[in-house]
Amino acid sequence: ETGVTQTPRHLVMGMTNKKSLKCEQHLGHNAMYWYKQSAKKPLELMFVYNFKEQTENNSVPSRFSPECPNSSHLFLHLHTLQPEDSALYLCASSQDRLLVETQYFGPGTRLLVL
Amino acid sequence: QKEVEQDPGPLSVPEGAIVSLNCTYSNSAFQYFMWYRQYSRKGPELLMYTYSSGNKEDGRFTAQVDKSSKYISLFIRDSQPSDSATYLCAMRPRETGGFKTIFGAGTRLFVKA
Repeated sequence: ETGVTQTPRHLVMGMTNKKSLKCEQHLGHNAMYWYKQSAKKPLELMFVYNFKEQTENNSVPSRFSPECPNSSHLFLHLHTLQPEDSALYLCASSQDRLLVETQYFGPGTRLLVL
Repeated sequence: QKEVEQDPGPLSVPEGAIVSLNCTYSNSAFQYFMWYRQYSRKGPELLMYTYSSGNKEDGRFTAQVDKSSKYISLFIRDSQPSDSATYLCAMRPRETGGFKTIFGAGTRLFVKA
C-alpha cells in the first residue's frame, strides 16, 4: 500500500533464538530507517541508512544488527533478545535522510520475545 | 522534561465535531513539524508537515504552529468515523535529518457515528 513492505508481520521468539526482519521499498528512495514502537511510548529511531551506508545508530544494543545490501532492502538481525524488546518494529524510507518529512512507513513487524 | 509532550487520550468525539490535537515541545531549535496518522495494525502515515510558524490547510485538516508558545496543533473539521486512529506529532531542527526527529507518544482518537 505505501510502497514499503515488511516480513514477517508477526514473530514470536525465545531469548536464545536468532531471527531476521526484512524490509523492502519500491519507491526509489535512498534512505531507510528502523524504528521501535512500544506501547504508549514515542517512536524510537534505531538506525538510519543513506545510500546503503549506516549514518546513524541511536545507541542500540548489539543484539540488534542491521544490514542494508542495497537501497531497496533493509534487514534487522535479532539474537539473544530480552522480553523488553517486544514491540512493533517499523521500517521507513525517504528520498534522502534529510527529507524525513517525506517518510513512508511499512506496516511493521509485531515481535514478542518470550 | 520530555522534549515533546502529547496527551495520550483517548479522545472521543461525535461524528461531525471539530477535533483539536496538540503537542508541546521544549527545544526552540525545532523547525519542521509533522503530523502522522496511525491506524491499528498499520504503520504511521504522514498527514502534513509545516516549516517554522504558521498554518497549513489540506482538505479537512489544518496544522498550526506557534513557535512563541512552543505549541503545535492539528485540527480536523467535520470528523468522520474513518478518522479514528492514533495521531503522532513529530519535529526536528532544520539542519538535521531523521536522527534528530523526535516523536510524541500519540493521541488516540475515536469518532463515534
